[in-house]
Amino acid sequence: EAGVTQFPSHSVIEKGQTVTLRCDPISGHDNLYWYRRVMGKEIKFLLHFVKESKQDESGMPNNRFLAERTGGTYSTLKVQPAELEDSGVYFCASSQDSVLRWQHGYTFGSGTRLTVV
Amino acid sequence: GDSVTQMEGPVTLSEEAFLTINCTYTATGYPSLFWYVQYPGEGLQLLLKATKADDKGSNKGFEATYRKETTSFHLEKGSVQVSDSAVYFCALRRGNAGNMLTFGGGTRLMVKP
Repeated sequence: EAGVTQFPSHSVIEKGQTVTLRCDPISGHDNLYWYRRVMGKEIKFLLHFVKESKQDESGMPNNRFLAERTGGTYSTLKVQPAELEDSGVYFCASSQDSVLRWQHGYTFGSGTRLTVV
Repeated sequence: GDSVTQMEGPVTLSEEAFLTINCTYTATGYPSLFWYVQYPGEGLQLLLKATKADDKGSNKGFEATYRKETTSFHLEKGSVQVSDSAVYFCALRRGNAGNMLTFGGGTRLMVKP
């Protein structure tokens, strides 16, 4: 089966510009997650979709970040306007969880490396 | 809140050396524990996992044992290869705290021929 696909793989934008990251989860996976790793630090949770609904967005850093998952398939993460501290690697992951399967890990994409200059 | 601490890198070893990457955690309840690996240019891959105390996860020659008494999940391999060069992340997940993974800071391993 195809894995989790993220696009673009790299993006370099100027401070103040807008960038949209896209994630295509594994087909049939209802759960979709966004994480990011900033400045070589730990990977941190941003938000979790179950189908098209935001289940948990407690990790979103501020209102410059907007995530959507229309139709419950692919997701986009928009940063507007981008700031220097937004630079990092943004990972998407998907899983087909249930109450009985929470012990398992996710399948991650290759990530989008965002550089804000 | 939950947290994961792992040894800072980089760790540089010669081929066939023994590897240990330490990982300790803080969490209430009984989390599942994971090691993820990121090879150059690739995404995060699940390396191994353990879901309860004293479980041993293993894969590709790597092992880690869930030690609840010391809240640790150290990663070991008896003989590393150049192809093991990557960044390794320890993580935990609690079923009653949403579905998020809590990661450590990552440890870069460099194996020289």
